[in-house]
Amino acid sequence: TQLLEQSPQFLSIQEGENLTVYCNSSSVFSSLQWYRQEPGEGPVLLVTVVTGGEVKKLKRLTFQFGDARKDSSLHITAAQPGDTGLYLCAGLVNTGNQFYFGTGTSLTVIP
Amino acid sequence: GAGVSQSPSNKVTEKGKDVELRCDPISGHTALYWYRQSLGQGLEFLIYFQGNSAPDKSGLPSDRFSAERTGGSVSTLTIQRTQQEDSAVYLCASSRRSGRAKDTQYFGPGTRLTVL
Repeated sequence: TQLLEQSPQFLSIQEGENLTVYCNSSSVFSSLQWYRQEPGEGPVLLVTVVTGGEVKKLKRLTFQFGDARKDSSLHITAAQPGDTGLYLCAGLVNTGNQFYFGTGTSLTVIP
Repeated sequence: GAGVSQSPSNKVTEKGKDVELRCDPISGHTALYWYRQSLGQGLEFLIYFQGNSAPDKSGLPSDRFSAERTGGSVSTLTIQRTQQEDSAVYLCASSRRSGRAKDTQYFGPGTRLTVL
């Protein structure tokens, strides 16, 4: 059973377009993280959100944590080829001590 | 200031053989995690170590999988009698602590295991 579902699973867009990736669950998380992974490398942390409704911006990337802390979204404005990669969300449950990773969204930005 | 390192980077083995995968975490990090990632997929939690506490083995898929962490530093993941479905990238990560909302996990580059 997958605790976190991401959508879409695959996304291919033209440079300059906007996109949103979703991370959904029926479970409540005390915090949620977003990672980007490039081929042959381990995931790299982009952001951590901890408060329901929290919005964080990292240059052209905007991250939002749902009010109920069950879901999150990642919005990229004016995508660049360098944004290409596998985007993973990971949630920490209230009573746990490990992060559960989502199914991943593979993004390709075409020049 | 080295990051997390893993060895070997690639391992090809025959079905039924045992393999050992190594992880060197960032110095001073007390938490260490092992994950498995199938091609282009998300990460599947296997096991984590926190300081001197008993490890959380809840993610190990079978008793063929085991891991140890010596001296609170280097960790070895052992897979006995490998099967073709064990083929995946095995990722190790470390963090200062575990279970804390803002702790950052630093990942190694992974070991790509192929079982023929």
